[in-house]
Amino acid sequence: EAGVAQSPRYKIIEKRQSVAFWCNPISGHATLYWYQQILGQGPKLLIQFQNNGVVDDSQLPKDRFSAERLKGVDSTLKIQPAKLEDSAVYLCASSFELAETQYFGPGTRLLVL
Amino acid sequence: AQKVTQAQTEISVVEKEDVTLDCVYETRDTTYYLFWYKQPPSGELVFLIRRNSFDEQNEISGRYSWNFQKSTSSFNFTITASQVVDSAVYFCALSEAYNQGGKLIFGQGTELSVKP
Repeated sequence: EAGVAQSPRYKIIEKRQSVAFWCNPISGHATLYWYQQILGQGPKLLIQFQNNGVVDDSQLPKDRFSAERLKGVDSTLKIQPAKLEDSAVYLCASSFELAETQYFGPGTRLLVL
Repeated sequence: AQKVTQAQTEISVVEKEDVTLDCVYETRDTTYYLFWYKQPPSGELVFLIRRNSFDEQNEISGRYSWNFQKSTSSFNFTITASQVVDSAVYFCALSEAYNQGGKLIFGQGTELSVKP
């Protein structure tokens, strides 16, 4: 069974530029999560989808971050404009249903200069 | 409020030593789940175990074992006869299933270094 796929794996941009990350969850998983992991810290949830609906986006900086999961499968996370403090690893995870075990992708390492 | 504390930032052991990683959690829910994940240098979080709040039985899986004690709000992880491949950052996490939609609250992580 294929795991969670993410791309790109690495991205370097300058501040005020925009960037987008893509995630393809495990087949059949209804719930998709985006986490931000700053160096030396544990991951923190940015947004959670159940199918194509948002369950929790309370920690998403909505002035610059946006995410969508239009067909209830793939998801895209966008940052526009990026700030230096957005440098982090962005992890996508999926689970079969709410509150089930989450399986993580390899992450996208973002460096904002 | 939910919180997970991993007081050990870094641990260094020599191969074949046993090592215990501590995890203490806070929650007001009676129904919750506890997890351990491993993050090797490649960066991907690898699922190790999920335990629900009603199951306090200890669990053993090969060289790994977990001790869940509700009385002290702890969910500790022991690696027996450690190996170099165990070197990674280990995260303990809490999920309050019904109130929070299953989102994970992670601790700060413990970086384990196993030297040959």
